[in-house]
This record gives sequence, structure tokens and C-alpha cells, in this order.
Amino acid sequence: ETGVTQSPTHLIKTRGQQVTLRCSSQSGHNTVSWYQQALGQGPQFIFQYYREEENGRGNFPPRFSGLQFPNYSSELNVNALELDDSALYLCASSFTGSNGYTFGSGTRLTVV
Amino acid sequence: GIQVEQSPPDLILQEGANSTLRCNFSDSVNNLQWFHQNPWGQLINLFYIPSGTKQNGRLSATTVATERYSLLYISSSQTTDSGVYFCAVQGGSEKLVFGKGTKLTVNP
Repeated sequence: ETGVTQSPTHLIKTRGQQVTLRCSSQSGHNTVSWYQQALGQGPQFIFQYYREEENGRGNFPPRFSGLQFPNYSSELNVNALELDDSALYLCASSFTGSNGYTFGSGTRLTVV
Repeated sequence: GIQVEQSPPDLILQEGANSTLRCNFSDSVNNLQWFHQNPWGQLINLFYIPSGTKQNGRLSATTVATERYSLLYISSSQTTDSGVYFCAVQGGSEKLVFGKGTKLTVNP
């Protein structure tokens, strides 16, 4: 059974640019969630996708958007990057109704 | 929304010591997980434990849902146990709400 994989592992972007982060869900999981973790803080919920539609969103602006594909993999897109977007971005997958989330290793984004 | 408080924020132990980490939450939950975040950032799921007691090797966890707290026990700690331990809960919404974590340092 494969776990949750994320790419890239590290990324450096310039303020104002756009970025796309990718996540492959654990086999058998149909729900994917994204979290942002600033240095020294706990992860904060960005949004969740189920059946290719967003079905929950945290307190993040619209420039944070996502996609879920038929194979349950997902993308997180961030437009107009700001310095405060520098963080570890974590993807988690689960199977609806089973509870319990499996997290990937994350993408560390640095905005300069 | 649900609030999660973890204590202590920092813990320093000598190898071989035992420890107890606490997680308090403000509302009823249908999911509670304990995670260990390794130095590379990955969140390793330790326990899915919305209620009851579970054990896995040197680690065990107890959640008393009616009193809204959970405890993570680490026995005979090893240097590889170092890292940040997070408690995360889920109520009626889709999201996991994390505490601020307990940073554990185990010295040889």
C-alpha cells in the first residue's frame, strides 16, 4: 500500500508569482485535504476535496485554490504569492466514513 | 470552532524516562489523532483514538471523551522519540483542528 506522496519537496518562489503543489493520495482513499503549517505552529486547514469538488474550506483567501482528479490525486494552487505564504504545505488523504488521516511529507515553500 | 490545547509545550527528558502528554479539547469530537512530526516535517500517525485506550509498543494513548481530554504516554523514551507531538481533533466539520504541539527532546 503506497502512502501519500507530495511534490516537489522544496520550492523557492518570488513574491507575486504563482505556484502549484501536487499530492497523490494513499491507495483506497477518496478524500484529500490540504494544510498550511507556519514555522513553530500547528497545521491549519486550507480545504478538502471529495469527488472532485471542494467540500470544506478554512480561513484562506480565494487565491488559494485546488483541484482533485478522478484518480483522487490533487493540486494546490496559490496565486499572487506573498511572503507570509512561506510555510510547509501538507496533504492528507482519507476514506470517507473511516476517519483517520494519512499525511504526506509536505512541500516546503519559501517566498522571497 | 473547536479549541485544542496541548501541554506541556516543551519537554526535555533523559533517555529511558517516561512521559505523559496531554490534549484538552473544547467540544465533542468524532475523530482524535496523535501525530509525531519528524525533523523532515512528515506527520506520522500514532493513534486514531476518539475514545478508549490503545497501545503500540512503548506508546499508549487514552481518550476520555466525556471529559474532553486525551493522554499520550511514552515509556522508556529513546532519542528517536524526539520531535513535535500533535493532537488533532475533528468535530462535525471536515477539518482536523490541531493543537500547537509538544516539543519533546530526549537526550542520550
